[in-house]
Amino acid sequence: AQKVTQAQTEISVVEKEDVTLDCVYETRDTTYYLFWYKQPPSGELVFLIRRNSFDEQNEISGRYSWNFQKSTSSFNFTITASQVVDSAVYFCALSGNNAGNMLTFGGGTRLMVKP
Amino acid sequence: NAGVTQTPKFQVLKTGQSMTLQCAQDMNHEYMSWYRQDPGMGLRLIHYSVGAGITDQGEVPNGYNVSRSTTEDFPLRLLSAAPSQTSVYFCASSWDRTQEQYFGPGTRLTVT
Repeated sequence: AQKVTQAQTEISVVEKEDVTLDCVYETRDTTYYLFWYKQPPSGELVFLIRRNSFDEQNEISGRYSWNFQKSTSSFNFTITASQVVDSAVYFCALSGNNAGNMLTFGGGTRLMVKP
Repeated sequence: NAGVTQTPKFQVLKTGQSMTLQCAQDMNHEYMSWYRQDPGMGLRLIHYSVGAGITDQGEVPNGYNVSRSTTEDFPLRLLSAAPSQTSVYFCASSWDRTQEQYFGPGTRLTVT
């Protein structure tokens, strides 16, 4: 079975602070895929990034960056210079490559960015 | 493209009633899934389908049925609603399990 843990249930920061959301995963698959989704207060789920298990390069997209470390089974997400519009629930998710290993979500981290 | 659509957006049921949540996608995706979202528990997989005529159970399938007669549609049936099924339900589709999933807007279900 696969598992995703987001230990931080809620984080509160002041605008312009940097913030890192932690994600730790467990899987027996040698090939797997990691995702981050954002759920703003409006409720929809917005895809942010997909990473496969063979690509450990960090990725940066504007103020967002992701750090994937297979050695610690972590896929952390950092927002630089946070903004009020970043306030949302963020989910980390894992999909294995074997039959039955559909997408498994972590419990989510609620980020509140205060002006 | 409408993407993934779900109806209804809100529903209130009494215990014991049955109903079907509708989900449709127009992207010709083979994979479709149903999730429920409960506070503090993220999204949990109820049922999924890897193509027309093929369905399988996810993590929390009890009390729900699905069928997939076409590529486009993947309805979720609640057989006899219970208060424990009060939740927000999301339908999603994707090319396969390795690709991003496209989510519908969700259905908020309350069972009294």
